[in-house]
Amino acid sequence: QSALTQPRSVSGSPGQSVTISCTGTSSDVGGYNSVSWYQQHPGKAPKLMIYDVSKRPSGVPDRFSGSKSDNTASLTISGLQAEDEADYYCCSYAGSYIFVFGTGTKVTVL
Amino acid sequence: EVQLLESGGGLVQPGGSLRLSCAASGFTFSGYAMTWVRQAPGKGLEWVSAINGPGTNTYYADSVKGRFTISRDNSKNTLYLQMNSLRAEDTAVYYCAKRPYGLDYFDYWGQGTLVTVSS
Repeated sequence: QSALTQPRSVSGSPGQSVTISCTGTSSDVGGYNSVSWYQQHPGKAPKLMIYDVSKRPSGVPDRFSGSKSDNTASLTISGLQAEDEADYYCCSYAGSYIFVFGTGTKVTVL
Repeated sequence: EVQLLESGGGLVQPGGSLRLSCAASGFTFSGYAMTWVRQAPGKGLEWVSAINGPGTNTYYADSVKGRFTISRDNSKNTLYLQMNSLRAEDTAVYYCAKRPYGLDYFDYWGQGTLVTVSS
């Protein structure tokens, strides 16, 4: 149950795109199409942004997109906006009701 | 509207016990698996424990196995986490989260309750 690996931070100017990677193993990210992404603003609960690798819940802007290749998943934020500045966590199903989260990435809007 | 409201957090000494509760509303509680996720101060999210809808199957992270017990009372729409033999490293905000039926993510989260383990 080792945490998935994410970059500590990424940054971009308003309107630019940023991509956050999430690297796991064949027992989690690579083994299931069950990667989700959560946005967390300071002092707030996490919010679901992407599920099943690339699906967006109702209400999440289409600026957010997800993908996966082998053991690495990615979250891309296009057209970066000030309100996107937050921490982002990936999460993968690892079988038998068990989940593993990523180490977290701080997105800074310059 | 789905709502999850945690309670029971507080200050406890190392080796002590605490029971967290998560009151659910706005959905058929017994039909959904529930999960506890924690976040140590300034750190990332950590999956802690899960329980299926009927409450017959439970699952734990290695870091809490043998010390924490997850349970639920479907008649009261409430999820619990009994935490024993608490350690300083258990200090965290504890969130309860709902998992959609048959799907592998968490669609609703509570606001969290802070547990501090310190002498």
